[in-house]
Amino acid sequence: KQEVTQIPAALSVPEGENLVLNCSFTDSAIYNLQWFRQDPGKGLTSLLLIQSSQREQTSGRLNASLDKSSGRSTLYIAASQPGDSATYLCAVSNQAGTALIFGKGTTLSVSS
Amino acid sequence: ETGVTQTPRHLVMGMTNKKSLKCEQHLGHNAMYWYKQSAKKPLELMFVYSLEERVENNSVPSRFSPECPNSSHLFLHLHTLQPEDSALYLCASSPTSNRDGLLFFGSGTQLSVL
Repeated sequence: KQEVTQIPAALSVPEGENLVLNCSFTDSAIYNLQWFRQDPGKGLTSLLLIQSSQREQTSGRLNASLDKSSGRSTLYIAASQPGDSATYLCAVSNQAGTALIFGKGTTLSVSS
Repeated sequence: ETGVTQTPRHLVMGMTNKKSLKCEQHLGHNAMYWYKQSAKKPLELMFVYSLEERVENNSVPSRFSPECPNSSHLFLHLHTLQPEDSALYLCASSPTSNRDGLLFFGSGTQLSVL
């Protein structure tokens, strides 16, 4: 059974720092991996989607990498800003079905 | 109009009440989903509808009853809920229900069961 783990559960950094969020999954036979952002009490916004054949995706200050063989993904945020404060969730789509399997998320707080 | 709209945003109900959550998507997508997000737990997929047909039901108790009258609307009918059903209920849509996984979420309904 696929399980997704995100470490750390919470992270506080000063504005301007570069930071890395980690995601690991137990079954490497994934179809794709997605990073989402969730603001308090709100829905999820997709940030980056990496197909299993890809190694990374970039969007602005965000860069997500994927290492399928080791079951890991990282989300790199460059020059963090207070507006980046949110919960970041990692989710994988496996080969067998349509369901995305989510981690519990990392709650990021960026102070000015 | 935002892509996926959920109403109400907040709902408080007693254990004997019957209520419904509504979701509407304006993206022309063919698949719609209900997720449950409880505190300190990962998002749990509840139901998947593709072209108004239920294609997945993840062992959800019968006190939750989904309805998809057309590809733009999705309902979740609630009756005789338990306090542990209190959670954020999120609706999502995607172009298809295949493994692409590109989901667009609504803002959710925060449900409290007293």
